[in-house]
Amino acid sequence: GNSVTQMEGPVTLSEEAFLTINCTYTATGYPSLFWYVQYPGEGLQLLLKATKADDKGSNKGFEATYRKETTSFHLEKGSVQVSDSAVYFCALSDQDGNNRLAFGKGNQVVVIP
Amino acid sequence: EAEVAQSPRYKITEKSQAVAFWCDPISGHATLYWYRQILGQGPELLVQFQDESVVDDSQLPKDRFSAERLKGVDSTLKIQPAELGDSAMYLCASSLFRTYNSPLHFGNGTRLTVT
Repeated sequence: GNSVTQMEGPVTLSEEAFLTINCTYTATGYPSLFWYVQYPGEGLQLLLKATKADDKGSNKGFEATYRKETTSFHLEKGSVQVSDSAVYFCALSDQDGNNRLAFGKGNQVVVIP
Repeated sequence: EAEVAQSPRYKITEKSQAVAFWCDPISGHATLYWYRQILGQGPELLVQFQDESVVDDSQLPKDRFSAERLKGVDSTLKIQPAELGDSAMYLCASSLFRTYNSPLHFGNGTRLTVT
């Protein structure tokens, strides 16, 4: 079945540092790929998405490129802020018509001033 | 911006009791989802509605969980009886369409603690 794998463990970094969170997927066909962000005490918010190979999603300084050859969708940001502290989830939606999202386990990101 | 409303935000219940969660999706959104998020994990789909019909409840523990969306608008998820392992965040989401790239909008969730 479809699945998403995110790198293990929380990520702690200093303000203005470069952030990368790895995400790889297993799916049949050509899924759509998403990054969701969850701030403390809140629900998930869509951060960015890509619907076909080589697409780049971007929002709020975050970027991720849909790489079919490596089945990856890594999230990057060039200069993080304290306000970026949150949990980040990679997800995919296959094309079976039901818009069902499969999520990774998430990565806690803590940005230190 | 319109939001998905959920209540209550927090619920503490004893095992073997019944508990219910309510969700009101964004107006006009035909597709509604209930997800369960165990601490430290990603959300997992429990049930999906298209209007008032269930389109996927394959991961719903039907011996104790039930969900309904009678008029195709708001929805209720019920657990009876609750077990310790049901402690989790229950998230409701809605999307305008059922198609695979129609973005999901999530509510703030109901955090359930079973004692």
